[in-house]
Amino acid sequence: DSGVTQTPKHLITATGQRVTLRCSPRSGDLSVYWYQQSLDQGLQFLIQYYNGEERAKGNILERFSAQQFPDLHSELNLSSLELGDSALYFCASSPSGGRGRETQYFGPGTRLLVL
Amino acid sequence: SQELEQSPQSLIVQEGKNLTINCTSSKTLYGLYWYKQKYGEGLIFLMMLQKGGEEKSHEKITAKLDEKKQQSSLHITASQPSHAGIYLCGADGNTDKLIFGTGTRLQVFP
Repeated sequence: DSGVTQTPKHLITATGQRVTLRCSPRSGDLSVYWYQQSLDQGLQFLIQYYNGEERAKGNILERFSAQQFPDLHSELNLSSLELGDSALYFCASSPSGGRGRETQYFGPGTRLLVL
Repeated sequence: SQELEQSPQSLIVQEGKNLTINCTSSKTLYGLYWYKQKYGEGLIFLMMLQKGGEEKSHEKITAKLDEKKQQSSLHITASQPSHAGIYLCGADGNTDKLIFGTGTRLQVFP
């Protein structure tokens, strides 16, 4: 158990809908990262938040957004869902997300299926 | 942008055999991370390597970083069914985000 929690574990929805994925980082970790894992693209970095502020952006679509709240939990919002958005979404956390080497600890993921 | 290529893509070994998984980067490796993923589950951190020539071991798993070759290898000695899963290497490219390889799927049969 990494200490990172994600809810829900599974999500089934229809195209055009909007969903929210939630992540609670390990106790004391200030940085939260979101990743998407799909069969064709592999594991891809989406976005990072550090202490409530966006720090880095990866291959995140404009239909997707995220935020980190004062209690450091984070939410990833996916809207206007398409079939291709079906994937495993992972959240990871690290102590500070500074420029030094830090291990990212991953949550169990949310499996999203868009029908 | 940095890319990581893992080889082999898939590996089936008999229990007790040794095996090696390679991860080759298209750019200089600053930090290299190895994770294991059980099918459809989260990633479990195994090891992080930072310096050329560095070698780390955890139980029967050893990882090495060859900075000159921009490559890392993961070696499992006397494999067991519990070693089965997908092994992913990740590199930070001197930024916070991780770039991941395509993964190596390992199956260990009795």
